[in-house]
Amino acid sequence: DTAVSQTPKYLVTQMGNDKSIKCEQNLGHDTMYWYKQDSKKFLKIMFSYNNKELIINETVPNRFSPKSPDKAHLNLHINSLELGDSAVYFCASSPTTGDGRKTQYFGPGTRLLVL
Amino acid sequence: GQNIDQPTEMTATEGAIVQINCTYQTSGFNGLFWYQQHAGEAPTFLSYNVLDGLEEKGRFSSFLSRSKGYSYLLLKELQMKDSASYLCAVRDGNYQLIWGAGTKLIIKP
Repeated sequence: DTAVSQTPKYLVTQMGNDKSIKCEQNLGHDTMYWYKQDSKKFLKIMFSYNNKELIINETVPNRFSPKSPDKAHLNLHINSLELGDSAVYFCASSPTTGDGRKTQYFGPGTRLLVL
Repeated sequence: GQNIDQPTEMTATEGAIVQINCTYQTSGFNGLFWYQQHAGEAPTFLSYNVLDGLEEKGRFSSFLSRSKGYSYLLLKELQMKDSASYLCAVRDGNYQLIWGAGTKLIIKP
């Protein structure tokens, strides 16, 4: 009954490979997000997505692409992995509420290590 | 540019009170959040302020002054389990969430 889940939890791979991280939320939320948290613990938004709009942080390389098969899923595809991609990637979701709060609920994170 | 400032690290004693400050400069304002993140875990929601004043929730309270671009998180009766990073985040005029780098709180017995 996990609210926001991600797989895999750990991912170790070689430079140049292509990998995907999956995210699913069962909260009925209409907006989902991907964040990158680097070694300095700074959370950086990569994408936010709902049924109508994909907002991309312009600093994110186009090697990263979100894929949403339905409202409950937002997967992250990464092509040609680089050493600097090593980080923890968090998926999050939020509802649309009348007061505009849109509190975000985070998944457990995927620890990516590129060798 | 948009900016969120918080102290990098703070230390406090079990049972005491600690105040973590956050100042922000954003293009517009649509609410301020505090999140807690234990080492190796995901951030979890603590509080939300959109109007000036104090919001109290158990041992945790959050204060906002929009005119000063300032917020604080107050933690009372500190427990060892409160050792974590505390992240301040502001929703700007475009409803984008801008995150601070977090304050690592160390609790000593």
